[in-house]
Amino acid sequence: QVQLQQSGPGLVKPSQTLSLTCAISGDSVSSNSAAWYWMRKSPSRGLEWLGRTYYRSKWFNDYAVSVKSRITINPDTSNNQFSLHLNSVTPEDTAVYYCARDGIFDIWGQGTMVTVSS
Amino acid sequence: DVVLTQTPLSLSVAPGQPASISCKSSESLLHSNGLAYLYWFLQKPGQPPQLLIHGVSGRESGVPDRFSGSGSGTDFTLRISRVEADDVGVYYCMQNSHLPLTFGGGTKVEIK
Repeated sequence: QVQLQQSGPGLVKPSQTLSLTCAISGDSVSSNSAAWYWMRKSPSRGLEWLGRTYYRSKWFNDYAVSVKSRITINPDTSNNQFSLHLNSVTPEDTAVYYCARDGIFDIWGQGTMVTVSS
Repeated sequence: DVVLTQTPLSLSVAPGQPASISCKSSESLLHSNGLAYLYWFLQKPGQPPQLLIHGVSGRESGVPDRFSGSGSGTDFTLRISRVEADDVGVYYCMQNSHLPLTFGGGTKVEIK
């Protein structure tokens, strides 16, 4: 049974970097058939895809245009997890952040409420 | 980007009555491989989205057969044949036929 467990701070100051981790159990971040996603949900923007990482003989990343200049998604094969780093955050980045696995998107992390405030 | 437009924005349904939610896409969701990657989720407060339907009409394991999905091209529908109290929440359609993955704006379902 595949599970995703998110961790990271719930409060980030403006201009700093938001960092979250998604630990995978029951599957591998290096799977040749899965991709690993970050999404978020906010009142102003609804549900929004942020980016993904996946391995197909080498690592690939895709990012949403809206955050492309500020986002990095990194796989961590040693700990079988992947991380989200979003720099130069503003209050507009306040949202509930989710990690998820593709395929049929039946597997999601529990969500992390992140508030950007001083 | 593909825009998914859901209607209605909200729905109030008496128990046992049917409900229907529409999801219209700004372009065809038919992928080059012949499949359409259109999903339906239900999100309840404090929970992540819960998969109901994948690939337009594939019911996720454990989802009651009261839920069904249909459609093709740009027009898709989620139907609940008999609404129950546990069906309350916000329903979202999502497409992954074209990058970026996009979501509809959501339909809030409540019980009368």
